[in-house]
Amino acid sequence: AQSVTQPDIHITVSEGASLELRCNYSYGATPYLFWYVQSPGQGLQLLLKYFSGDTLVQGIKGFEAEFKRSQSSFNLRKPSVHWSDAAEYFCAVGDRIQGAQKLVFGQGTRLTINP
Amino acid sequence: KAGVTQTPRYLIKTRGQQVTLSCSPISGHRSVSWYQQTPGQGLQFLFEYFSETQRNKGNFPGRFSGRQFSNSRSEMNVSTLELGDSALYLCASRGSPASGNPSAETQYFGPGTRLLVL
Repeated sequence: AQSVTQPDIHITVSEGASLELRCNYSYGATPYLFWYVQSPGQGLQLLLKYFSGDTLVQGIKGFEAEFKRSQSSFNLRKPSVHWSDAAEYFCAVGDRIQGAQKLVFGQGTRLTINP
Repeated sequence: KAGVTQTPRYLIKTRGQQVTLSCSPISGHRSVSWYQQTPGQGLQFLFEYFSETQRNKGNFPGRFSGRQFSNSRSEMNVSTLELGDSALYLCASRGSPASGNPSAETQYFGPGTRLLVL
């Protein structure tokens, strides 16, 4: 069965510092890969996605993610965080063969920003 | 383009009642998926509708049901509410799957309906 692991439940970084959120997946083949962000009381906003091609993908708000097939990972990065980046971040996978109508999510990583 | 809309945003119900939640997808999107989000279980897939047909269902009891209308709007219903049904219910829409366009596989989420069962 598909599974997604986000090893860090909570991360705290200082404003202006770099950020890396980890995501590992277990799947028979390379799935579609997504990162979403959720602010308190809100829905999920798509940050970026990977389907194929260049393994470094750029997203909104200055985020990027790198797909590493050998490590089954899709880590999210940002060179310099802003206080407005405080939120919960979810990594998700979708089935490439049957279609991504059903996303499997990680447990999420809550990001706190120190001023 | 307007995003995914969900109504109502907040609901309070008591055990044993039933509830209906509504989701309007992005214009032109034909697939709607529903998810339940709780602190303990995280985000879990409920079901997906495409062209008024349920195509995929998650591991939830039969009390959870849904439907989709010809205009792609979708509703989900929960009957005989239990305390454990308290959650944020999210719906997501995507384009026309199997179109050969991977971008059509991207799900866009609404703001959710927060359900509290007392």
